[in-house]
Amino acid sequence: AQSVTQLGSHVSVSEGALVLLRCNYSSSVPPYLFWYVQYPNQGLQLLLKYTTGATLVKGINGFEAEFKKSETSFHLTKPSAHMSDAAEYFCAVSSNQAGTALIFGKGTTLSVSS
Amino acid sequence: GAGVSQSPSNKVTEKGKDVELRCDPISGHTALYWYRQSLGQGLEFLIYFQGNSAPDKSGLPSDRFSAERTGGSVSTLTIQRTQQEDSAVYLCASSSGTVGTLHFGNGTRLTVT
Repeated sequence: AQSVTQLGSHVSVSEGALVLLRCNYSSSVPPYLFWYVQYPNQGLQLLLKYTTGATLVKGINGFEAEFKKSETSFHLTKPSAHMSDAAEYFCAVSSNQAGTALIFGKGTTLSVSS
Repeated sequence: GAGVSQSPSNKVTEKGKDVELRCDPISGHTALYWYRQSLGQGLEFLIYFQGNSAPDKSGLPSDRFSAERTGGSVSTLTIQRTQQEDSAVYLCASSSGTVGTLHFGNGTRLTVT
């Protein structure tokens, strides 16, 4: 069985500060890992994903995440927060490529203050 | 339309009534998913369709919940004898098969009074 744990339901940063959103996963098979973002009053959209290959993946809006198998982690980072980054972020895991459903974490709300 | 369309956007119903939620996926997307989003609970997987068949129904919380998909396109999620704990946002997503790339609709907010 797979699961995802997002550490911290709320994270607050100042504009220009580093953003770090934590995600740990549990999977009995090599995982596919994803971050989705939900901006206020909008639907979820894919931010970035890891399937195979390079363990550091880059996504939209300057975000990146690194797959660390030894730590079973896939933390999301951005060097400098912008006010427009305020949103809810979801980490997700899938066990295979067959299109079965993603298992999502409970989400982390990011607040950015000026 | 260009995206996943869900209707209605909001639904208020009385406890014990049945409700139907509709999802129109992106044209050509063979995979369709239903999730439930509750405050503090994240996204809870309900059911997945590949074409018209549902290989994974493991997330349906009770036998009051059912879903169907016809013509490889539109899907309806039906909740019978609604309960207050069914209040949530119900999200539909579709995918063309690219790993993990789901396109979500804006959801149906269900309130059971």
